[in-house]
Amino acid sequence: KAGVTQTPRYLIKTRGQQVTLSCSPISGHRSVSWYQQTPGQGLQFLFEYFSETQRNKGNFPGRFSGRQFSNSRSEMNVSTLELGDSALYLCASSLTGTEAKEQYFGPGTRLTVT
Amino acid sequence: GQNIDQPTEMTATEGAIVQINCTYQTSGFNGLFWYQQHAGEAPTFLSYNVLDGLEEKGRFSSFLSRSKGYSYLLLKELQMKDSASYLCAVRGDNYGQNFVFGPGTRLSVLP
Repeated sequence: KAGVTQTPRYLIKTRGQQVTLSCSPISGHRSVSWYQQTPGQGLQFLFEYFSETQRNKGNFPGRFSGRQFSNSRSEMNVSTLELGDSALYLCASSLTGTEAKEQYFGPGTRLTVT
Repeated sequence: GQNIDQPTEMTATEGAIVQINCTYQTSGFNGLFWYQQHAGEAPTFLSYNVLDGLEEKGRFSSFLSRSKGYSYLLLKELQMKDSASYLCAVRGDNYGQNFVFGPGTRLSVLP
């Protein structure tokens, strides 16, 4: 069974640009969550999508948005990039919501904003 | 608010036992999770507690006390490959996957 995949793995962007990251969950998983990980703030929840609907959202500005497609693949978009957006962006998939004991993380996308 | 505390760093010797503590204050409780994260890699699931008590899984055990807002991860027979960060996370909401992660504890296992 293939794991969670994320593309691209590495990305370098300039301040002010926008970026789109992609996540393909494990086959059959309908929930996809996105996290930002930085050395200073640790792992922070961005949002969760379930059956194409955003079900939960963390405390991030509106520049961070996402969506989920009918095949459960999810994309995350960050507009007007700032230096502070440099981070490892992780997505995680699980079968359902509250019943799930485990969520499986992808390898992450390392975003560097210069 | 939501807050999770863990020690920043710990050091232990190969073959020894180490206990990593986690205290939490969250709005609602729907499970406590421990993850292992090696440098440069994604977190991997270790354990899940939703009821009070001890869950054992090979060399790893996790304990939960909901009334005290406290958990610990116990690692036995430490190996060099156990050197990693250990993240405590609480699923607070009663709906959805809103996980709150602690800052992580960086464990160094010395020979």
